[in-house]
Amino acid sequence: EIVMTQSPATLSVSPGERATLSCRASQSVDINLAWYQQKFGQAPRLLISGTSTRATGIPARFSGSGSGTEFTLTISSLQSEDFAVYYCQQYYNWYTFGQGTKLEIK
Amino acid sequence: QITLKESGPTLVKPTQTLTLTCTLSGFSLSTPRVGVAWIRQPPGKALEWLSLIYWDDDKRYSPSLKSRLTITKDTSKNQVVLTMTNMDPVDTATYYCAHSPDGGSSWDHWGQGTLVTVSS
Repeated sequence: EIVMTQSPATLSVSPGERATLSCRASQSVDINLAWYQQKFGQAPRLLISGTSTRATGIPARFSGSGSGTEFTLTISSLQSEDFAVYYCQQYYNWYTFGQGTKLEIK
Repeated sequence: QITLKESGPTLVKPTQTLTLTCTLSGFSLSTPRVGVAWIRQPPGKALEWLSLIYWDDDKRYSPSLKSRLTITKDTSKNQVVLTMTNMDPVDTATYYCAHSPDGGSSWDHWGQGTLVTVSS
């Protein structure tokens, strides 16, 4: 099983600042990586697939990069609605999720 | 507009079998490349993929849970059904179904989820 490790577990950032979230795979997943946002009491929402392709309706302030085993989700200028939990997911070999990064207001 | 809605019992006893139904709207599971997955999330924990069924009835299961899971689809009813046998309190979670436009990648539409508690 491919293990996905996200860091940090919690990230405190002020509105308007940039947030950088990391995701590491235990083995290469090529670019078969997605990011999801989950707010409390809600289902996850797809942000990015294929490492860097934004899903329909996702603002341009969200961007993804990486390949192989190291991936990054960047939110360029945080809005109030962006504070949530973010999960990465690989789909190279079956499907596994990271444990999540909680993005909180500083 | 694609929507999915999970339904099933909110409480099951240990050792019982759980049956969950995902009702689809806005798309057909007979459309090539489409898939529907089940994913769960224990309270306060991360997401875990359980199973996936493709438009052509091909099925995939989490290796760690494969012996306990069965996924089926009824295209005429626009439903996907997941059964999980021998339920245990550790299976307490919110169960989601989700749509994939290209089978085996990411999931772009999710149901609201249904919380299933396993307790005697």
